[in-house]
Amino acid sequence: GAGVSQSPRYKVAKRGQDVALRCDPISGHVSLFWYQQALGQGPEFLTYFQNEAQLDKSGLPSDRFFAERPEGSVSTLKIQRTQQEDSAVYLCASSFIRTDGYTFGSGTRLTVV
Amino acid sequence: DAKTTQPNSMESNEEEPVHLPCNHSTISGTDYIHWYRQLPSQGPEYVIHGLTSNVNNRMASLAIAEDRKSSTLILHRATLRDAAVYYCILRDAGGKTSGSRLTFGEGTQLTVNP
Repeated sequence: GAGVSQSPRYKVAKRGQDVALRCDPISGHVSLFWYQQALGQGPEFLTYFQNEAQLDKSGLPSDRFFAERPEGSVSTLKIQRTQQEDSAVYLCASSFIRTDGYTFGSGTRLTVV
Repeated sequence: DAKTTQPNSMESNEEEPVHLPCNHSTISGTDYIHWYRQLPSQGPEYVIHGLTSNVNNRMASLAIAEDRKSSTLILHRATLRDAAVYYCILRDAGGKTSGSRLTFGEGTQLTVNP
């Protein structure tokens, strides 16, 4: 497709459950980013990949959060032992080079109950 | 990260121009000024960016002050679909890895009245 695709669109998880969120960036885009957006707030940076290399993971809130991009295209954000405070929209974005404007996906809304 | 300041909200009427201001008094020489907008239930959308000169594209214009301490996003004719939160963001192009990230503030909620 022409845009960044994220799945699932919605996810409800029981507290303590592990979840995996998928991002398909635009084909050929080298840079990939994950952001977390709480209700009523602006997005907050989580992590950044250039191809398969994770160059910046300083925004990951705890060691329960893990991201990978093994072949330099599709990326997965995994959250282990989910907590209620993890409830948010998780946004993925990609760009051809890191200084370009980003293209964001529509996000995955995670609700932890 | 250099900080930006935007009004919390603005209103406009349909088909009128809208000028969205942004102050960034601590901007550095390698900071680009980026604008994104976010419609309800969607991810942010890139609008425009610039360094020193004014920029135009099909969506908007960006006017940058001569001292670069402020900028204005101009929507030439607002439509109902322009109602969104508009974010002004400084992005360092100086080569640091941290310059790749976007640091979003609160943004300006634009309401467009029919």
